[in-house]
Amino acid sequence: SQTIHQWPATLVQPVGSPLSLECTVEGTSNPNLYWYRQAAGRGLQLLFYSVGIGQISSEVPQNLSASRPQDRQFILSSKKLLLSDSGFYLCAWFGQNWHYGYTFGSGTRLTVV
Amino acid sequence: GIQVEQSPPDLILQEGANSTLRCNFSDSVNNLQWFHQNPWGQLINLFYIPSGTKQNGRLSATTVATERYSLLYISSSQTTDSGVYFCAVGTTNNDMRFGAGTRLTVKP
Repeated sequence: SQTIHQWPATLVQPVGSPLSLECTVEGTSNPNLYWYRQAAGRGLQLLFYSVGIGQISSEVPQNLSASRPQDRQFILSSKKLLLSDSGFYLCAWFGQNWHYGYTFGSGTRLTVV
Repeated sequence: GIQVEQSPPDLILQEGANSTLRCNFSDSVNNLQWFHQNPWGQLINLFYIPSGTKQNGRLSATTVATERYSLLYISSSQTTDSGVYFCAVGTTNNDMRFGAGTRLTVKP
């Protein structure tokens, strides 16, 4: 069966520090992968998506970047965090079967202090 | 882009009551999903339903694509149903947009 893993679960980082969040998918190949952010008490905003290795599309220009070094690995990064980067970050995948739609990871709660 | 509106924004129920959540969208869509976000933040896929009706236990959903809305029904609500319910729509698998959600509180 397909599973999606995200880590870490929580993270507290100082302003100006770098960021690396990792997402991996198991049990499938060539998935479409997505990074979403959820601000406190609000809906989800699509940040990046990837349809294959090295292919990244950005929805919102900002302080973050994404990379896909391997087929089932998706990384969200920042060189210098801002206070406004705080939020709940969720990785999702969509495989070949739209019967199930999107599946989300458990998320990373990032607090920038 | 597609606009997604969910109503009501907040809903408080007594255990055992039924409820209907609504999702309106501004344009034709090929994909629509309902999610439940539990208090720990986990997003659970409830239904993938771009059209028609589906049922899963006490939950069911109906999408009328020609009229651009979808409804999520919760019957005999339980405290574990509490959380935020999101509707997400898109024309492709890479442009899914989320509504602001309906926060449901079920009281014992």
